[in-house]
Amino acid sequence: GAGVSQSPSNKVTEKGKDVELRCDPISGHTALYWYRQRLGQGLEFLIYFQGNSAPDKSGLPSDRFSAERTGESVSTLTIQRTQQEDSAVYLCASSFSRNTEAFFGQGTRLTVV
Amino acid sequence: GNSVTQMEGPVTLSEEAFLTINCTYTATGYPSLFWYVQYPGEGLQLLLKATKADDKGSNKGFEATYRKETTSFHLEKGSVQVSDSAVYFCALGKTSYDKVIFGPGTSLSVIP
Repeated sequence: GAGVSQSPSNKVTEKGKDVELRCDPISGHTALYWYRQRLGQGLEFLIYFQGNSAPDKSGLPSDRFSAERTGESVSTLTIQRTQQEDSAVYLCASSFSRNTEAFFGQGTRLTVV
Repeated sequence: GNSVTQMEGPVTLSEEAFLTINCTYTATGYPSLFWYVQYPGEGLQLLLKATKADDKGSNKGFEATYRKETTSFHLEKGSVQVSDSAVYFCALGKTSYDKVIFGPGTSLSVIP
């Protein structure tokens, strides 16, 4: 595709439910990032995939968060047993390599009620 | 470890004022440096970048010079406009296997 695509764009879920967020990176981009941005806050790094290397999961806030990526394609971020503090915009970005600029998707706005 | 520090906001300026947003970094080696911008209601987008020491990145009237001696990459614009109101993020990308690291962001509001 022309850009990084994220779905859904908005998600409202009940506390305790699981949610799955999807990211389609730009074709050919080996690096993929997930960030969280709470209202009025900066970017909080969650996880980073680079090619076939083991992902950098150092930013995942708890074991309720997990992410997968198959090869250099789609990635899914799963949040289990959602809590109200999980409410935020979840941003995905991809880049051609680890040292080039990242292109961001429009984000998924998650609201936990 | 690698890190990026930005001046705290919010920053409020009058139209046509001079803008400086400070950014300093900590990293080994020779990282690439970026400024990203997030306009209200929009996603992040790259504003400018510099890949080696003394490089100057520029775009839309904004400039930033990669200063290795001071480990800085300050963003400047000579005359801001209302349309420049946004959140600006400084970022660092290493040459070895590593993730892009973002600063906390600086919110800029330009008033007529």
